[in-house]
Amino acid sequence: GAGVSQSPSNKVTEKGKDVELRCDPISGHTALYWYRQSLGQGLEFLIYFQGNSAPDKSGLPSDRFSAERTGGSVSTLTIQRTQQEDSAVYLCASSRQTQETQYFGPGTRLLVL
Amino acid sequence: KQEVTQIPAALSVPEGENLVLNCSFTDSAIYNLQWFRQDPGKGLTSLLLIQSSQREQTSGRLNASLDKSSGRSTLYIAASQPGDSATYLCADQGGSEKLVFGKGTKLTVNP
Repeated sequence: GAGVSQSPSNKVTEKGKDVELRCDPISGHTALYWYRQSLGQGLEFLIYFQGNSAPDKSGLPSDRFSAERTGGSVSTLTIQRTQQEDSAVYLCASSRQTQETQYFGPGTRLLVL
Repeated sequence: KQEVTQIPAALSVPEGENLVLNCSFTDSAIYNLQWFRQDPGKGLTSLLLIQSSQREQTSGRLNASLDKSSGRSTLYIAASQPGDSATYLCADQGGSEKLVFGKGTKLTVNP
């Protein structure tokens, strides 16, 4: 079956521009996660959605970052007024339920010039 | 704050060797521990998930163990192959549902 998909696969933007990253989770998965992988920093949690509950936004690094999940399926991560330190690979994952295996998408490579 | 540490950061072995990757975590109150592999430029592939009530999980040539009391997990790879070359990441999932990752062990298996 189809896995987690993300788009775009690569994004180059200028400092100060806004970007939107998209994640399509595995059908039927109720939990959706966003992580960021920066060079030398490892993988860090950004935000988590579970069903209709309020998202856990505790990992978002600043108020320039936001995310939404429409209809319990597709999610969009938005970064406003991008900065060079936002350059990273943004990974999305989904799981059937919380505390089950998380399946990751291929990621979006963001480069802010 | 949960911290996950992986040792060594890099490992190079000849083909056919059995090897162990180590993962330690600071907070024993976890739901599960997961092992992933990441190939260059790619996303993460789930290998094994060990529930907190379990001691080990096996899949093919891979065996992962969990010792909550000591805050350690190991990933054992038997009869390593060049195709096993990748970065191996461990991550634990605690009460906040998010995964906390180690920085990984980069494995190179030489033909």
